[in-house]
Amino acid sequence: GNSVTQMEGPVTLSEEAFLTINCTYTATGYPSLFWYVQYPGEGLQLLLKATKADDKGSNKGFEATYRKETTSFHLEKGSVQVSDSAVYFCALGRGGGADGLTFGKGTHLIIQP
Amino acid sequence: DTAVSQTPKYLVTQMGNDKSIKCEQNLGHDTMYWYKQDSKKFLKIMFSYNNKELIINETVPNRFSPKSPDKAHLNLHINSLELGDSAVYFCASSHNSGKSDTQYFGPGTRLTVL
Repeated sequence: GNSVTQMEGPVTLSEEAFLTINCTYTATGYPSLFWYVQYPGEGLQLLLKATKADDKGSNKGFEATYRKETTSFHLEKGSVQVSDSAVYFCALGRGGGADGLTFGKGTHLIIQP
Repeated sequence: DTAVSQTPKYLVTQMGNDKSIKCEQNLGHDTMYWYKQDSKKFLKIMFSYNNKELIINETVPNRFSPKSPDKAHLNLHINSLELGDSAVYFCASSHNSGKSDTQYFGPGTRLTVL
């Protein structure tokens, strides 16, 4: 079956530090990959996505590259801000409705001033 | 304008009761979903609904039933609530059910069963 594995955290960093959140996946076929972010008390928002191998998704200074050879989609940001504090979810989608999105367990990121 | 809305935001009820959570999307999407987020923040698909076709995750108890009066609404009805049903329930929608379609999430409904 499909699965997504990501570091659970919490991950605590100082402002302006470099961020990496690892995500690896298992799936049949060629899924699309997503990063969603959940701020406290809110729903999930799409942060970025990539739909095929070697695609790079980017948004708000965050980047992730779809690596088929390592089945990975690691999230990176060069300089984090306090406002980036949230829970980040890696997810894969195979389409067809039956599976919905398969999520990792989420990584709680805490940025200290 | 809220793209995906849910009511209520909070729901506290007793074991054994029947309750409903409403979801509406104004994005013109064809597919809607319900997810359950447990106390450890783990999200799992419960249902997807596309053009009147319902796909059910086999692990969902039959006490849970989605009802769609029209394309813009997918409500979740829960019978005989149990303590383990306490969670945050998220509605989502997407243009269609393709693998690259972005899903847009509602703000969630926190259900507490006492």
